[in-house]
Amino acid sequence: QQPVQSPQAVILREGEDAVINCSSSKALYSVHWYRQKHGEAPVFLMILLKGGEQKGHDKISASFNEKKQQSSLYLTASQLSYSGTYFCGTTVNAGNNRKLIWGLGTSLAVNP
Amino acid sequence: DVKVTQSSRYLVKRTGEKVFLECVQDMDHENMFWYRQDPGLGLRLIYFSYDVKMKEKGDIPEGYSVSREKKERFSLILESASTNQTSMYLCATTLAGTGRNEQFFGPGTRLTVL
Repeated sequence: QQPVQSPQAVILREGEDAVINCSSSKALYSVHWYRQKHGEAPVFLMILLKGGEQKGHDKISASFNEKKQQSSLYLTASQLSYSGTYFCGTTVNAGNNRKLIWGLGTSLAVNP
Repeated sequence: DVKVTQSSRYLVKRTGEKVFLECVQDMDHENMFWYRQDPGLGLRLIYFSYDVKMKEKGDIPEGYSVSREKKERFSLILESASTNQTSMYLCATTLAGTGRNEQFFGPGTRLTVL
């Protein structure tokens, strides 16, 4: 039931783009994205609830596919501040969504 | 601004000691969570609470207990600390309806058990 994140790690140069995927074997009720910098707590990025939804702010955006089994996080023109570990958290259905089920994370390093 | 505070940033305890980790939130959130985080293992849920005096086991509850006597406070108790409980502990809160509401995390407590 744990979502699968890919890739596990990615190294970028400043200005390059990256895509992080979060996949489930079951249709999801929601997908959350969080970023955690080293030594800090995770910080919320966005939630997606609807199939086909796309959301974003600045140069970070995410999509939720029509079947609601995959979400992708897009980081465009990466900045040094984007470095950290990205986690997706998922819920399976609306009626029983008291807890998130987390992926293992994707480590992103942006170098000058 | 939601504030989630944890009683200590760093804690060192001895094997066999009883350890209390406390989490306090100021936003009247119904749901509170305790996670532990270890390298390569992501965020693992220990216990959560969706109301005062209510608790549910997460994925790794063994060796831990919790207490929620007031809405704003959620305590994690290690009854008899062991070295394999050395970890980063994170508290989080959210409004009811976890799926559609963001989780707010505390700064974490890095616990070392010697």
